[in-house]
Amino acid sequence: AQSVSQHNHHVILSEAASLELGCNYSYGGTVNLFWYVQYPGQHLQLLLKYFSGDPLVKGIKGFEAEFIKSKFSFNLRKPSVQWSDTAEYFCAVNGSGNTGKLIFGQGTTLQVKP
Amino acid sequence: EAGVVQSPRYKIIEKKQPVAFWCNPISGHNTLYWYRQNLGQGPELLIRYENEEAVDDSQLPKDRFSAERLKGVDSTLKIQPAELGDSAVYLCASSLGPGYEQFFGPGTRLTVL
Repeated sequence: AQSVSQHNHHVILSEAASLELGCNYSYGGTVNLFWYVQYPGQHLQLLLKYFSGDPLVKGIKGFEAEFIKSKFSFNLRKPSVQWSDTAEYFCAVNGSGNTGKLIFGQGTTLQVKP
Repeated sequence: EAGVVQSPRYKIIEKKQPVAFWCNPISGHNTLYWYRQNLGQGPELLIRYENEEAVDDSQLPKDRFSAERLKGVDSTLKIQPAELGDSAVYLCASSLGPGYEQFFGPGTRLTVL
């Protein structure tokens, strides 16, 4: 069965610090990969996605992620975080023939201190 | 463009009572999903519709949960009877098709006492 593992449950950073959130998945076939973000009091929204092509994908608000197939990883990065990046971040995988079924990780809560 | 609409936003019921959640997807989105998100966890798919057909309901506890999507637009998810363990946020999402980006609604937070 597919699964997604996010390494960090809770991350605390100061503004301007660099961010990297780990995500690993278990699935041997072709996958589509996503990072979703949920700001306090808001609904889940897409941060970025990878379907094919360049493994380094750029998303909104300065976020990027790199797909490393050999490591089954899709880590999220941002060179300099802001207080407004405080949110919960979810990695998700859509495999199994692109059925639309997203498998989510357990989420990482990011707290950015001003 | 209007997003995915869900109601109610919050619901508190006693165990063994029935409850229903409603979802209106983004116009033109053929695929509709219901997810359940437990506290501290990521969402888990309960059921997926392609138009009015349920094409993946393997994770739906069919003894107490039911769902429908009449006319391939709005959808309702029902629990009867509710149990304490059903307390969670129920999310609805929609997309143009199974491989496309999913747009999520605000969710319904259910508390079963």
